[in-house]
Amino acid sequence: DSGVTQTPKHLITATGQRVTLRCSPRSGDLSVYWYQQSLDQGLQFLIQYYNGEERAKGNILERFSAQQFPDLHSELNLSSLELGDSALYFCASSLTGSDTQYFGPGTRLTVL
Amino acid sequence: GIQVEQSPPDLILQEGANSTLRCNFSDSVNNLQWFHQNPWGQLINLFYIPSGTKQNGRLSATTVATERYSLLYISSSQTTDSGVYFCAVWYNDMRFGAGTRLTVKP
Repeated sequence: DSGVTQTPKHLITATGQRVTLRCSPRSGDLSVYWYQQSLDQGLQFLIQYYNGEERAKGNILERFSAQQFPDLHSELNLSSLELGDSALYFCASSLTGSDTQYFGPGTRLTVL
Repeated sequence: GIQVEQSPPDLILQEGANSTLRCNFSDSVNNLQWFHQNPWGQLINLFYIPSGTKQNGRLSATTVATERYSLLYISSSQTTDSGVYFCAVWYNDMRFGAGTRLTVKP
């Protein structure tokens, strides 16, 4: 158990809908990262937050947004969902934002 | 952007065998991590190793940053070592290799 929690574990929804994925980092970690893992694209970095502020941005679509709250938990919002958004979404956390990342168990999103 | 290449893509071993997985990257990086994704999908951190050598039980890793490669050694492999091993590097963002799929047969 990495200490990073993600909810929900599974999510099934329809095209065009909007969902919110939640992540709680390890106790004491200030940085949160979001990743997408799909069969065709592999593991892709989406976005990083450090102590509430966006620090780095990767291949995150405009339909996706994220934020980190004052209690350091983070949410990833996915809107206007498409079939191709079906994937495993991981959250990770680290202490300083440039050190070892610990991954949560992931949320499996299925868009029908 | 930085390219990360892992080899071999697939590896099948008998229990007890040793193996070496390689990760090449195309530019200088700030850090490098090795992860194991088990058959249930969990990503487990193995090493944070921007340079030098580290060991943890049967696993060890070496990164030669000046030559832009890292090696992961697995000794006396066990069936529980099966899964996909990813190398990931950080410069301005995180880039993963495509992984090495390891199957350890009893």
